[in-house]
Amino acid sequence: SAVISQKPSRDICQRGTSLTIQCQVDSQVTMMFWYRQQPGQSLTLIATANQGSEATYESGFVIDKFPISRPNLTFSTLTVSNMSPEDSSIYLCSVRQGAYNSPLHFGNGTRLTVT
Amino acid sequence: KNEVEQSPQNLTAQEGEFITINCSYSVGISALHWLQQHPGGGIVSLFMLSSGKKKHGRLIATINIQEKHSSLHITASHPRDSAVYICAVLRRFGNEKLTFGTGTRLTIIP
Repeated sequence: SAVISQKPSRDICQRGTSLTIQCQVDSQVTMMFWYRQQPGQSLTLIATANQGSEATYESGFVIDKFPISRPNLTFSTLTVSNMSPEDSSIYLCSVRQGAYNSPLHFGNGTRLTVT
Repeated sequence: KNEVEQSPQNLTAQEGEFITINCSYSVGISALHWLQQHPGGGIVSLFMLSSGKKKHGRLIATINIQEKHSSLHITASHPRDSAVYICAVLRRFGNEKLTFGTGTRLTIIP
């Protein structure tokens, strides 16, 4: 099974700044996803990171606010731009190694607090 | 109404008790996942089911496709089982995206 290293594990950031979160997998994976979990809420899909091309964003999420890179099959970054307190959440990277019905693997999450 | 509903939202039990967490969904699915989220935020995938029953250690997951219902059972519960348990479904003919329940917060008291 895939082992995911997500960094940083937590951060406290000032309003107006940006934070880049990294997701490194120890093997090549088919799909990489970025999720947000606001306090007391369930997970919401931000986007699917596509290798070598622009990410596919879900309704309500835009590239200018959450730019995503995926230069290869093992690495992706999510940037939270021009942060506000409403961006305080847990951000999670998730991967799937095979077809749609393959097991999922998650990173340990990045707990972001914006002051 | 959410497409994936979990019950109970919160559950506190004594160590050793048998635990059941329920998940009901309203859409056709190709698979259902049970996930465990630790207090730090990390998530571990426990089971992926498309039919029947799976067992891993003290954990058992069942699914009834006709009734659109799944249960997660924990036998001989232990304080280290304290976590949030999340049900997520993969829609049939969907776009490979998961729909998540809101989770069940389980606390096991020694």
